[in-house]
Amino acid sequence: AQKVTQAQTEISVVEKEDVTLDCVYETRDTTYYLFWYKQPPSGELVFLIRRNSFDEQNEISGRYSWNFQKSTSSFNFTITASQVVDSAVYFCALSEDFTGGFKTIFGAGTRLFVKA
Amino acid sequence: NAGVTQTPKFQVLKTGQSMTLQCAQDMNHEYMSWYRQDPGMGLRLIHYSVGAGITDQGEVPNGYNVSRSTTEDFPLRLLSAAPSQTSVYFCASSKAGFPSGRAFDTQYFGPGTRLTVL
Repeated sequence: AQKVTQAQTEISVVEKEDVTLDCVYETRDTTYYLFWYKQPPSGELVFLIRRNSFDEQNEISGRYSWNFQKSTSSFNFTITASQVVDSAVYFCALSEDFTGGFKTIFGAGTRLFVKA
Repeated sequence: NAGVTQTPKFQVLKTGQSMTLQCAQDMNHEYMSWYRQDPGMGLRLIHYSVGAGITDQGEVPNGYNVSRSTTEDFPLRLLSAAPSQTSVYFCASSKAGFPSGRAFDTQYFGPGTRLTVL
């Protein structure tokens, strides 16, 4: 069965620190997609990145970077030089194929506090 | 494009009342879904649809009904509200379609509906 574990419930850092959010997933499929979403205090869900199971290249987008390792079933997210505006809940999600469509399972989320 | 819209933004119901949460998208997306978000539990899939006329159950379907008569709309019905249904509800849509629904795509979320059942 598919499962997404975000073991860190809350993380608190001081501005300009680097922070890594962990995501470990379980799946029996060979084809799947992984996502990260951000939920700021305003409540909306903002898409950050999508990665398919065949692409293990790490990705960097500004201060954000993602490390995908199939060997450890992990898809970790690092924020470099964190800012107060990064304070939010971050969700990791896994989408698997099934007959007729796909299903997405979300982790419980990691709440990040960035203090000035 | 307005993207994914949800109404209402807030709703308070009494136990046993019924209501419909509305969701619409203007991106011609085939795939639509409903999630509920509860503290410490992330988002859980309630129902989903891979195209007009096709719906199926997710992880937590009990107490909810859906239908998909058009590509644009995917309403969620609570037939007899219970306090356990107090939650924030998100609707999402994406391009992935049926029967080719192997084309995973990013899900775009509506702003959410905060529902309280007393």
